[in-house]
Amino acid sequence: GQQLNQSPQSMFIQEGEDVSMNCTSSSIFNTWLWYKQEPGEGPVLLIALYKAGELTSNGRLTAQFGITRKDSFLNISASIPSDVGIYFCAGPSFVSYSGGGADGLTFGKGTHLIIQP
Amino acid sequence: NAGVTQTPKFQVLKTGQSMTLQCAQDMNHEYMSWYRQDPGMGLRLIHYSVGAGITDQGEVPNGYNVSRSTTEDFPLRLLSAAPSQTSVYFCASSYGRNEQFFGPGTRLTVL
Repeated sequence: GQQLNQSPQSMFIQEGEDVSMNCTSSSIFNTWLWYKQEPGEGPVLLIALYKAGELTSNGRLTAQFGITRKDSFLNISASIPSDVGIYFCAGPSFVSYSGGGADGLTFGKGTHLIIQP
Repeated sequence: NAGVTQTPKFQVLKTGQSMTLQCAQDMNHEYMSWYRQDPGMGLRLIHYSVGAGITDQGEVPNGYNVSRSTTEDFPLRLLSAAPSQTSVYFCASSYGRNEQFFGPGTRLTVL
């Protein structure tokens, strides 16, 4: 099936630093989504990307849809303590598990962001 | 709007017991889905529905049943709980399948 590979797996950074993480796939995606999950909560959608080369910002967060359609990047500028969490990339699945229509999202395994004050 | 709600928040079951995890949304979304989240595995799709009366299986459907009798509700049934089903379960909804809104999750332990 499709796999999304996220790197790094975890990041330990100082407050105020900029953060970069990425997501790659062996398959082409026509949509990239970035979610954040805080402890004990469900994932929250941060940014959605729909066009190759697209660059979209949400406050201090900026995400890019790679030109090859096989990767995406998320940057966080001037990190603050509330940025702590797990960041997931996701894209629409092309795999049909039942032989019928393909649906649902495929998720990467996440990047754990830990910020030291 | 309450968004996506899930009950219960926590549940402990014994092997072989059955139970239903409830999910409801008040956003009039056609698409709803269930995922499980295990350490180091990310989120994996269990079942999904593209509208009332229509369901289909995802990547890990074995041991779970779903039905969709209304637009608002999408319950997940565990037929005979097994320790391998210990996980955190998330329900999600959206207009299409892309920008999904997630509920707070149900943490299930099967002994």
